[in-house]
Amino acid sequence: GAGVSQSPSNKVTEKGKDVELRCDPISGHTALYWYRQSLGQGLEFLIYFQGNSAPDKSGLPSDRFSAERTGGSVSTLTIQRTQQEDSAVYLCASSLQVGVNEQFFGPGTRLTVL
Amino acid sequence: AQRVTQPEKLLSVFKGAPVELKCNYSYSGSPELFWYVQYSRQRLQLLLRHISRESIKGFTADLNKGETSFHLKKPFAQEEDSAMYYCALTSSSNTGKLIFGQGTTLQVKP
Repeated sequence: GAGVSQSPSNKVTEKGKDVELRCDPISGHTALYWYRQSLGQGLEFLIYFQGNSAPDKSGLPSDRFSAERTGGSVSTLTIQRTQQEDSAVYLCASSLQVGVNEQFFGPGTRLTVL
Repeated sequence: AQRVTQPEKLLSVFKGAPVELKCNYSYSGSPELFWYVQYSRQRLQLLLRHISRESIKGFTADLNKGETSFHLKKPFAQEEDSAMYYCALTSSSNTGKLIFGQGTTLQVKP
């Protein structure tokens, strides 16, 4: 079966523009996680969803970052007014349910803000 | 604060040599510890987790609560083990949120 997919694979944008990153989790997985992988910070948690709700948004770096999930499936991470420090690889993962279940990661979206 | 520390950014060994990738953690509760691996041009994937006590690809890791460590070991490294390795733990609220270490690049030379 298909794994987690993310689009686009690469995104180059200009400082100040908004970007949307998409994640398609494995079918039937109720939990969805967003992480950011950057040179200086390593892998950081951003936000997770249980179904369509996001109980923990503690990892979002600023109010320019938001995410939603509709229909318990696809999730979109939106970054408004992008800054150069937002450049990173954004990873999405899904698991069968919230908890200690194995998380399956997508290939990531590499975001470059010029 | 919950934290995972991997003190080595790069570990370079020769094929057939033993490998130990270090991981220490700080956590105010009962942790669930994991090792994730990312091979070149592949996605991040789970290697092993302490609760399963398995040996995957010859790797093992033992949770030492006294030393708050979860070091990854393999007796004889292979070239195909070359990858980035991340140690991670889950948060106390059992949300599954993973807290990662900075990662260690393992380079196995022929």
